Amino acid sequence: AQSVTQLGSHVSVSEGALVLLRCNYSSSVPPYLFWYVQYPNQGLQLLLKYTSAATLVKGINGFEAEFKKSETSFHLTKPSAHMSDAAEYFCTVTYPPDNYGQNFVFGPGTRLSVLP
Amino acid sequence: DAGVTQSPTHLIKTRGQQVTLRCSPKSGHDTVSWYQQALGQGPQFIFQYYEEEERQRGNFPDRFSGHQFPNYSSELNVNALLLGDSALYLCASSLGTGRSGNTIYFGEGSWLTVV
Repeated sequence: AQSVTQLGSHVSVSEGALVLLRCNYSSSVPPYLFWYVQYPNQGLQLLLKYTSAATLVKGINGFEAEFKKSETSFHLTKPSAHMSDAAEYFCTVTYPPDNYGQNFVFGPGTRLSVLP
Repeated sequence: DAGVTQSPTHLIKTRGQQVTLRCSPKSGHDTVSWYQQALGQGPQFIFQYYEEEERQRGNFPDRFSGHQFPNYSSELNVNALLLGDSALYLCASSLGTGRSGNTIYFGEGSWLTVV
């Protein structure tokens, strides 16, 4: 079964510091990968996605992620954290066309805190 | 352009009762998926509806059922509620079932508390 792991349930960074949120997946076939952000008491918003095009993907709010097949990773980064980045971040995987349906598998989430 | 809308936003039910949650997909989307997000956890896939049929189902009991209407809106029904059903229920919509990695868009969710 496919699974997604996110190392660190809680990450704290100082404002202006590098943000690095880790995501690894287990899969026998190359997946599609997504990062979603969830602000308190809200639904999920797409940050970026990888669907087998360029391995370095740029998203909204200055975030980017790099797909590394050899490491089965899709880590999320941002060069300089802002207070407004404090939220829960979910790495998500789904599968290409031979898998009927869009059965997203979510990681457990990483809560990002940004310290002044 | 309205996004995914869900109702109600909050509700409280008693154990054993039944609940119906509603979802209208983003304009132009024909596929609706439902997720359960327990406090402090990631969303768990319940099922997906496309062309008014349940296309895939996650590891949820038959107490969880759904429906999709011709206008693509959807309902999630949960019977015989348990305390453990307390969660945020998220509806997500997309164009097609995801064969090309189409983005799914989430609503704000319906908070269900079972007492």
